[in-house]
Amino acid sequence: DAGITQSPRHKVTETGTPVTLRCHQTENHRYMYWYRQDPGHGLRLIHYSYGVKDTDKGEVSDGYSVSRSKTEDFLLTLESATSSQTSVYFCAISGRLTGSSYNEQFFGPGTRLTVL
Amino acid sequence: SQQGEEDPQALSIQEGENATMNCSYKTSINNLQWYRQNSGRGLVHLILIRSNEREKHSGRLRVTLDTSKKSSSLLITASRAADTASYFCAGPNAGGTSYGKLTFGQGTILTVHP
Repeated sequence: DAGITQSPRHKVTETGTPVTLRCHQTENHRYMYWYRQDPGHGLRLIHYSYGVKDTDKGEVSDGYSVSRSKTEDFLLTLESATSSQTSVYFCAISGRLTGSSYNEQFFGPGTRLTVL
Repeated sequence: SQQGEEDPQALSIQEGENATMNCSYKTSINNLQWYRQNSGRGLVHLILIRSNEREKHSGRLRVTLDTSKKSSSLLITASRAADTASYFCAGPNAGGTSYGKLTFGQGTILTVHP
């Protein structure tokens, strides 16, 4: 899977608790993305990063924050988890820093999050 | 914004048959991509077709792009049970700086029966 891992792979938490999901890549890709996948909605972009410390919102960013302190890691935080954030979360990467086309995205295996 | 809409939503065929999935999009694009997702797994990039290309092949996959109709199709020939998966088209986000962002359609669920 293009050297991209996500942790944890499964998590069950309670409403109101903070949750952090981690995406780690070994491919030296510049761009990183967090998506959520829900039945009937397909994949929706939550946040993305276009470099270290450079992040921006996607289409469903409310209730989520991200951080990228180094190239390899992109963290997604749910400050206070709600049941509506129960979903499968995917991280994706694109575009090596050495400069090839950044069109194709490579996906991690996903994190299944359940908020009770 | 929904850049890709797949049709049909679900497709069930027998092994050896061809499977065709269609994608329509709303805004002008410079490329369109197709991805596969096996159950419980992440998406895997299959093929990218650029706006100046009309057809592209990769193994048993054939993708066409009609920019005048804002549509693309993915054909899988001689399907196998292992092709059972969801298939998504994806196009660059409309407007603003792309940063490689994609908008995905909701996908076609393909089931290939042995």
